[in-house]
Amino acid sequence: DTEVTQTPKHLVMGMTNKKSLKCEQHMGHRAMYWYKQKAKKPPELMFVYSYEKLSINESVPSRFSPECPNSSLLNLHLHALQPEDSALYLCASSRLLQAGAHGYTFGSGTRLTVV
Amino acid sequence: GQQLNQSPQSMFIQEGEDVSMNCTSSSIFNTWLWYKQDPGEGPVLLIALYKAGELTSNGRLTAQFGITRKDSFLNISASIPSDVGIYFCAGVPGNTGKLIFGQGTTLQVKP
Repeated sequence: DTEVTQTPKHLVMGMTNKKSLKCEQHMGHRAMYWYKQKAKKPPELMFVYSYEKLSINESVPSRFSPECPNSSLLNLHLHALQPEDSALYLCASSRLLQAGAHGYTFGSGTRLTVV
Repeated sequence: GQQLNQSPQSMFIQEGEDVSMNCTSSSIFNTWLWYKQDPGEGPVLLIALYKAGELTSNGRLTAQFGITRKDSFLNISASIPSDVGIYFCAGVPGNTGKLIFGQGTTLQVKP
């Protein structure tokens, strides 16, 4: 299995809703990442997990709450989002934090629309 | 912060033509990565470069890691319609897990 699987593929949520994005990999990778991508822009790093511990938080608003319950799963909990949070949310994993060793593997993303 | 300047921003070429795009940085990177992203999908790794001066090929794609470690280029030979997409360079500045992305090059191929 050489994939990063993200669910759901599409999500529409209201500003008062609570929802979660899920990411799963079974490649034995110990570093996992959340990125946010706006249309025609490069991905922007949000969070980095290494060995299930949060390593980097790129000053992301608290309405985004990451969770890494085990080495294969990464969640992103969403609450009280704003319309400007609408974007493609990408999950990625790498064998170790030294991503350059083998590059990242990205999932297909969750297209989030906040109404 | 560290930034990558990727050019050109977009290209519209005829099928069969060769394509070249590049990235430059004011900082040194340990690794350069080239990704392609199709609409509605995540980026897919095309080529990874680990040593200054390294030249690596993947089919019709060739990429080089600049000697100064501050630049990289990607060439695509004999373009085909399925080469359409957005190409991103990305640099790895150390061992934090961060990728620094270029702004992307949008490639369109006319059959």
